[in-house]
Amino acid sequence: KAGVTQTPRYLIKTRGQQVTLSCSPISGHRSVSWYQQTPGQGLQFLFEYFSETQRNKGNFPGRFSGRQFSNSRSEMNVSTLELGDSALYLCASSASGVSPLHFGNGTRLTVT
Amino acid sequence: DQQVKQNSPSLSVQEGRISILNCDYTNSMFDYFLWYKKYPAEGPTFLISISSIKDKNEDGRFTVFLNKSAKHLSLHIVPSQPGDSAVYFCAASDTGANSKLTFGKGITLSVRP
Repeated sequence: KAGVTQTPRYLIKTRGQQVTLSCSPISGHRSVSWYQQTPGQGLQFLFEYFSETQRNKGNFPGRFSGRQFSNSRSEMNVSTLELGDSALYLCASSASGVSPLHFGNGTRLTVT
Repeated sequence: DQQVKQNSPSLSVQEGRISILNCDYTNSMFDYFLWYKKYPAEGPTFLISISSIKDKNEDGRFTVFLNKSAKHLSLHIVPSQPGDSAVYFCAASDTGANSKLTFGKGITLSVRP
């Protein structure tokens, strides 16, 4: 069974630009969550989608948004990028809320 | 304010001995706790979890203990193996499930052969 796939693996953007990250969950998994990992703050929850609906949201500004498609694939968008948005963005999927999260290898975003 | 704290950034143990990784939390609403392991350049991998209605859960070499009154949990690895060398994250949820996890900053475990 293929794991969680995140694309691209690396991304370099300029301050003020926007970026879209993609996540393909494990087949059959309907829940997709996004996390941001930085050296200073560690892993922080961004949001969770289940059956195309946002089920939970973390404490991030509105510049961070996401969506989930009918095939459970998810995208995360960050607009008006700031230097502090440089981080590893991790996507995780699960079959249901009580199943463990399976993480992808992440997208490393660098904002210059 | 860090709601999940892993105060020791690193731990080094001898192969075959016990590794004890500690985690403290401040939010009394947390009712589900997990441990994840992370190797470089990979995403975290789920290890073991425990519900707040239990005080111990075992899975092979891994045991998690929960002390709700002290708001403290620990992960015991016995016996420790060199392949266990990784960063270990403690995480907690107030949803009773694997969503909206709050993570600690991680502990780097090194198991010496």
